[in-house]
Amino acid sequence: GAGVSQSPSNKVTEKGKDVELRCDPISGHTALYWYRQRLGQGLEFLIYFQGNSAPDKSGLPSDRFSAERTGESVSTLTIQRTQQEDSAVYLCASTTGSGANVLTFGAGSRLTVL
Amino acid sequence: GQNIDQPTEMTATEGAIVQINCTYQTSGFNGLFWYQQHAGEAPTFLSYNVLDGLEEKGRFSSFLSRSKGYSYLLLKELQMKDSASYLCAVFSGGYNKLIFGAGTRLAVHP
Repeated sequence: GAGVSQSPSNKVTEKGKDVELRCDPISGHTALYWYRQRLGQGLEFLIYFQGNSAPDKSGLPSDRFSAERTGESVSTLTIQRTQQEDSAVYLCASTTGSGANVLTFGAGSRLTVL
Repeated sequence: GQNIDQPTEMTATEGAIVQINCTYQTSGFNGLFWYQQHAGEAPTFLSYNVLDGLEEKGRFSSFLSRSKGYSYLLLKELQMKDSASYLCAVFSGGYNKLIFGAGTRLAVHP
């Protein structure tokens, strides 16, 4: 696609439910990042995929968080047993190659846990 | 570990010049980025520095000193639309990923 697409744009869920967030990167972009941004805060790194290499999961805050990506296509971020502190905007970004390249961000998925 | 510091908030007057500083400590360094983020929107790319010195792009300039672990973003002829958060991010070769600072919220007043 022309840009990075994320869905849903907004999600309201009850504490304890599971949620799945989707990111469709720019076609041909081998690298994909997930970041979390709490209200008024900076971007917190969660996970990084590069091609078919093993993902860098070092930013995932707990084992309730997981992410998958098949090849260079869509990625899903899953949060199990959501907690109120999970409320944030989840941003996905993609880029070409494995070096210091410009990231293109999606519009984000705003998650609210009641 | 990695640490990226920038001021939390700044204010400036329309038409003036403002400098937003960023200091970093990372394992390995492969470049520093500045992104702009308007409230409720996704970050957009502003500038990239990998060598020491000044990179100029219209009203925006970015400076890097690798030996000091220091960068700044200079915004000239400020406009109201420049009110946004400015995010400093370092691509750490050792970690092979882009790490962001907490961002600086800039408010431009008439």
